[in-house]
Amino acid sequence: SQKIEQNSEALNIQEGKTATLTCNYTNYSPAYLQWYRQDPGRGPVFLLLIRENEKEKRKERLKVTFDTTLKQSLFHITASQPADSATYLCALDDGGGADGLTFGKGTHLIIQP
Amino acid sequence: DAGVIQSPRHEVTEMGQEVTLRCKPISGHDYLFWYRQTMMRGLELLIYFNNNVPIDDSGMPEDRFSAKMPNASFSTLKIQPSEPRDSAVYFCASSSGTGGYEKLFFGSGTQLSVL
Repeated sequence: SQKIEQNSEALNIQEGKTATLTCNYTNYSPAYLQWYRQDPGRGPVFLLLIRENEKEKRKERLKVTFDTTLKQSLFHITASQPADSATYLCALDDGGGADGLTFGKGTHLIIQP
Repeated sequence: DAGVIQSPRHEVTEMGQEVTLRCKPISGHDYLFWYRQTMMRGLELLIYFNNNVPIDDSGMPEDRFSAKMPNASFSTLKIQPSEPRDSAVYFCASSSGTGGYEKLFFGSGTQLSVL
């Protein structure tokens, strides 16, 4: 069956360190993978998109990698700040070009001062 | 642009009652999505529209759920009759495309509690 897995345990990181979140998937062949941030009581907000033929994408302190062989994406926040504390969701299409995005359940990131 | 607008923000109702959730997408977006979020199941896609036409409703849990998009600026998700297991946060999102290459813009959601 199709599955998207993100760490269900909260991730505690000290301020200033790099936070790394993992998204693994099975039985998908995504052409695109996206990362979103969700704060309590709010809808998810888009952060980054990476294509299957891209190994890495950067935006300011954010970096995403996409390994279609391992079926995994890593999301990095460098020089983390308490304001980065939120739940981070990965989402992917099914490569068919006509479906909506399927989301993982997200990882709750806590940046401790 | 005001973004995707959902109403009501919170809805508390009793089992068996009809519930109607509303969404105004971002102007110019051709795609509208309804998602449901729970702790157990995460964000689940219920249905999505392209140019006001329902494209995929395979995520709609059962016949008690229905969605309409009478025009490009308005969509509703209706639950009739509602049940306690329908309690969740319902999100509406819009985008310029689908297939994963376009980002989704989400509303703030409707927190539904069915007692």
